Amino acid sequence: KNQVEQSPQSLIILEGKNCTLQCNYTVSPFSNLRWYKQDTGRGPVSLTIMTFSENTKSNGRYTATLDADTKQSSLHITASQLSDSASYICVVNGGSQGNLIFGKGTKLSVKP
Amino acid sequence: NAGVTQTPKFRVLKTGQSMTLLCAQDMNHEYMYWYRQDPGMGLRLIHYSVGEGTTAKGEVPDGYNVSRLKKQNFLLGLESAAPSQTSVYFCASSYHPREKLFFGSGTQLSVL
Repeated sequence: KNQVEQSPQSLIILEGKNCTLQCNYTVSPFSNLRWYKQDTGRGPVSLTIMTFSENTKSNGRYTATLDADTKQSSLHITASQLSDSASYICVVNGGSQGNLIFGKGTKLSVKP
Repeated sequence: NAGVTQTPKFRVLKTGQSMTLLCAQDMNHEYMYWYRQDPGMGLRLIHYSVGEGTTAKGEVPDGYNVSRLKKQNFLLGLESAAPSQTSVYFCASSYHPREKLFFGSGTQLSVL
């Protein structure tokens, strides 16, 4: 069964600290893996997309990694800011139209 | 630059009532999608469209209908609302199924 599992479910960190969110997937075939940020009451916004051949991709203070062999990805946030408080969703594209498998998300709270 | 616009933002229905959610995008995207987001679950695909005049079923299509008469618009209809359809609905669009999704800000629907 195609699944995307994220951990932790929720996380609280202090402003300025770093954190890493995890994503494990069993989706096959694999086309790409995406990370989205969803602020409360808003729609998700794309952070990164990585294909099979990409190991690392950065978007400002966000760095995503992908290990296609172990089917694991991580999202590292550097020097967190209050505005990073959001849910972070890992999504795997199985390659066919409409075949996006969404994780349940990690809720990150950044405290001053 | 509006992106993806959803209307309405909030709606309360009684069981058995009908309604239509409107999604409009101004990015000339071929692909459009309707998702629902429920607490503790990942986003689930209801229906999608690969171009004007086309529609296809997603993971949870029962109780919903869609139409794509114009490329920029994608309508989601509930013919006879049920309490199980209480959810947050998101419309999204993309240039290609392997490209990132652009989401609207969501519609909070409550069915009493």
